[in-house]
Amino acid sequence: AQRVTQPEKLLSVFKGAPVELKCNYSYSGSPELFWYVQYSRQRLQLLLRHISRESIKGFTADLNKGETSFHLKKPFAQEEDSAMYYCALSRMDSNYQLIWGAGTKLIIKP
Amino acid sequence: NAGVTQTPKFRVLKTGQSMTLLCAQDMNHEYMYWYRQDPGMGLRLIHYSVGEGTTAKGEVPDGYNVSRLKKQNFLLGLESAAPSQTSVYFCASSYSDRVVAYTFGSGTRLTVV
Repeated sequence: AQRVTQPEKLLSVFKGAPVELKCNYSYSGSPELFWYVQYSRQRLQLLLRHISRESIKGFTADLNKGETSFHLKKPFAQEEDSAMYYCALSRMDSNYQLIWGAGTKLIIKP
Repeated sequence: NAGVTQTPKFRVLKTGQSMTLLCAQDMNHEYMYWYRQDPGMGLRLIHYSVGEGTTAKGEVPDGYNVSRLKKQNFLLGLESAAPSQTSVYFCASSYSDRVVAYTFGSGTRLTVV
């Protein structure tokens, strides 16, 4: 079955420290992976997509098909990065609906 | 440009009552979705629509009905609310089924007592 797992419900790091938010997936086909973010009192919004291979707000994520992972990384965390982060997978075989992880709450301590 | 607007933002229902959640988008998006979010779980798709006049079931459709009479509106109905439907409901829209970059509403927090 298709599944997205974010093993950490909560991740707390100090400002300036590296951040890695883990995302593992289970999917038999060729997945499309996304990271969405929800800042306090704001709407859920797309952060980045693996096919874009871009860096947004200093975050990057590489799709590792061998390890079936799509971890989100940032070398130096900022306080404004505090938010809920969701990993999602697009099902290529079912109208491209998204399968979501449970989310990780990231807290950046000053 | 409002994007995706959900009404109401909060609601408390008694078991057995009915209500309708409204999602409106002004971006001319073809695709619209209703999700529910429960503690410790990812968003789960309730129903979705690929265009005006069409609807389809998602992962957790039981107890809900939807309608898309106008392209810009996607309504989610609860005919007889149950405590298990206490959740935060999110509406989203997208201009394509292939480019999956959703625009989300701000959510509706529903409590059924």
